[in-house]
Amino acid sequence: DTAVSQTPKYLVTQMGNDKSIKCEQNLGHDTMYWYKQDSKKFLKIMFSYNNKELIINETVPNRFSPKSPDKAHLNLHINSLELGDSAVYFCASSQEGRGYYGYTFGSGTRLTVV
Amino acid sequence: AQSVTQLGSHVSVSEGALVLLRCNYSSSVPPYLFWYVQYPNQGLQLLLKYTSAATLVKGINGFEAEFKKSETSFHLTKPSAHMSDAAEYFCAVSEWVAGTSGSRLTFGEGTQLTVNP
Repeated sequence: DTAVSQTPKYLVTQMGNDKSIKCEQNLGHDTMYWYKQDSKKFLKIMFSYNNKELIINETVPNRFSPKSPDKAHLNLHINSLELGDSAVYFCASSQEGRGYYGYTFGSGTRLTVV
Repeated sequence: AQSVTQLGSHVSVSEGALVLLRCNYSSSVPPYLFWYVQYPNQGLQLLLKYTSAATLVKGINGFEAEFKKSETSFHLTKPSAHMSDAAEYFCAVSEWVAGTSGSRLTFGEGTQLTVNP
């Protein structure tokens, strides 16, 4: 009965490859997010979707392309991976836009580009 | 844009001692404020949140935080530290994103709490 689930948990890949991270929430939330946590543990939003519509794109390279097939899923596809993409990527969801009821985070995907 | 500052990237306390983690925010509107905890190799867990109701907010695991508008602070406290409290703690503020119907959480840089036996 995991609320926000991400797969895979770990991803090791070579530079130049294309990879995807999947996220699903079973909370019935309308809004989903992708956050990136860098090596210094700093967290920053990348994307936000509300009912499958892109709301926020925070100056992320266009190699990163989110896709939301329905409001319960938000996937992240990354093309031409670079060393600097190594980070932990967190998916999150909220019941309404400003997080009055809080934001629920997944357990993260640790991406290592070699 | 709103921002959050966490004073002290590392805090060390003895088991049984008071835990105090400091957070100051800047916001042009009444803020929604959050504290999250991250255990090693895990996701973020919500400890507590302030959404314009009571200024003293109680959360999980014995933590609480007090919203002080005059000081623009939202410090996290726990009367008695336990070894299991050792983790990274993040303060965050939620804000609407101008020109959209969306919001984002803006995080502080985190405070690593160490609990010594």
